[in-house]
Amino acid sequence: GAVVSQHPSRVICKSGTSVKIECRSLDFQATTMFWYRQFPKQSLMLMATSNEGSKATYEQGVEKDKFLINHASLTLSTLTVTSAHPEDSSFYICSAQDNYEQYFGPGTRLTVT
Amino acid sequence: QQQVKQSPQSLIVQKGGISIINCAYENTAFDYFPWYQQFPGKGPALLIAIRPDVSEKKEGRFTISFNKSAKQFSLHIMDSQPGDSATYFCAASRTGTGNQFYFGTGTSLTVIP
Repeated sequence: GAVVSQHPSRVICKSGTSVKIECRSLDFQATTMFWYRQFPKQSLMLMATSNEGSKATYEQGVEKDKFLINHASLTLSTLTVTSAHPEDSSFYICSAQDNYEQYFGPGTRLTVT
Repeated sequence: QQQVKQSPQSLIVQKGGISIINCAYENTAFDYFPWYQQFPGKGPALLIAIRPDVSEKKEGRFTISFNKSAKQFSLHIMDSQPGDSATYFCAASRTGTGNQFYFGTGTSLTVIP
């Protein structure tokens, strides 16, 4: 149980384009999902907290107009990186909350060329 | 400010040995302490978790020791195996809807045959 999927697992896009990453809780409903960014050999950096049916809460320093988060249902949250730049290249990981636990997706490797 | 401090940054252990990773926290409101295991290119996977009402929890070869008065907790991996080679993150949270997890900086464990 408590499986979270992400799609795509890898994506390469050109500078200036937008890319959407999906995060799904497969066997439970998640009122709250989280989006993280992870740089090589570093810890997880929380970007935003996504609540179903309401606006996401962004961490300080995260541009909400650049990283658009939508949590339209209890099993799906999406992160759209708009006008991507090479510095946005990173490993993006989502998690979904089930009771008091967070279950993580497998991550999405974004490369912006 | 780092809410959870983790050490060591890296650890090399012989096969069959004991791996010990330590974490310390400041916020006494934290009441849930999970450990995650992450392999390269994958999302973190929940390994074991503890609440402060117990001082120790064991699951197979993995044990969490918790010292509430010292605000410290540690992960012990008994009979370490090469397959345990991964990055381990401790975390702390205050349970509740939308609870944020505060992660340690991670420990890269290498188990040599």
